[in-house]
Amino acid sequence: EVVLTQSTLSLPVTLGQPASISCRSSQSLLYRDGNTYLHWFQQRPGQSPRRLIYKVSNRDSGVPDRFSGSGSGTDFTLEISRVEAEDVGVYYCMQGTHWPRTFGQGTKVEIK
Amino acid sequence: EVQLLESGGGLVQPGGSLRVSCTSSEFTFTGYAMSWVRQAPGKGLKWVSSISGRAPNTYYADSVKGRFTISRDDSKNTVYMEMNNLRVEDTAVYYCARDWLLENWGQGTLVTVSS
Repeated sequence: EVVLTQSTLSLPVTLGQPASISCRSSQSLLYRDGNTYLHWFQQRPGQSPRRLIYKVSNRDSGVPDRFSGSGSGTDFTLEISRVEAEDVGVYYCMQGTHWPRTFGQGTKVEIK
Repeated sequence: EVQLLESGGGLVQPGGSLRVSCTSSEFTFTGYAMSWVRQAPGKGLKWVSSISGRAPNTYYADSVKGRFTISRDDSKNTVYMEMNNLRVEDTAVYYCARDWLLENWGQGTLVTVSS
């Protein structure tokens, strides 16, 4: 089973400041079709998860451009350029390259 | 945004069975893979099962293999998860999600396994 490690479980940030969340995989997430199936999800308090980024760096429709994803192979990052109050919640990475699908433990973003 | 609607959750005793469903009136299920993801109270997300769109292939987490069965009825635009021999540790909110890339999620249905 592929293990995704989000080393920061809690991330206090100041409004307007940047935030970075890392996700490290125990195996390469590059699939034989050339795609890397690493996605990011946001779960606001009391809400269902929502996909933000798919295949490393593709932002979903309606997701503010302050969110960006990067990385390759086994190391990936979600960045928020300027944190806003609505960004509070838990962020999960997830891999869709290998079976079983796995999620990171989640990183809780809160405002200082 | 596409809305998915789960139903069928509830309280069941250990060893019991339950079937949860997921439907949508906003897109045609045919051709789309569908997945179930669960979240135990206060915990993170765990993938449970997926079913492909055509000639359906099914996939399961080891923790539910042999106990849970995912299926679909495209004529009803619905995907199901039949859960048998339920354990206390299966207590969770069960979400369905669309596509292999989990593009859209429902609001979830709570399954509580307790005596």
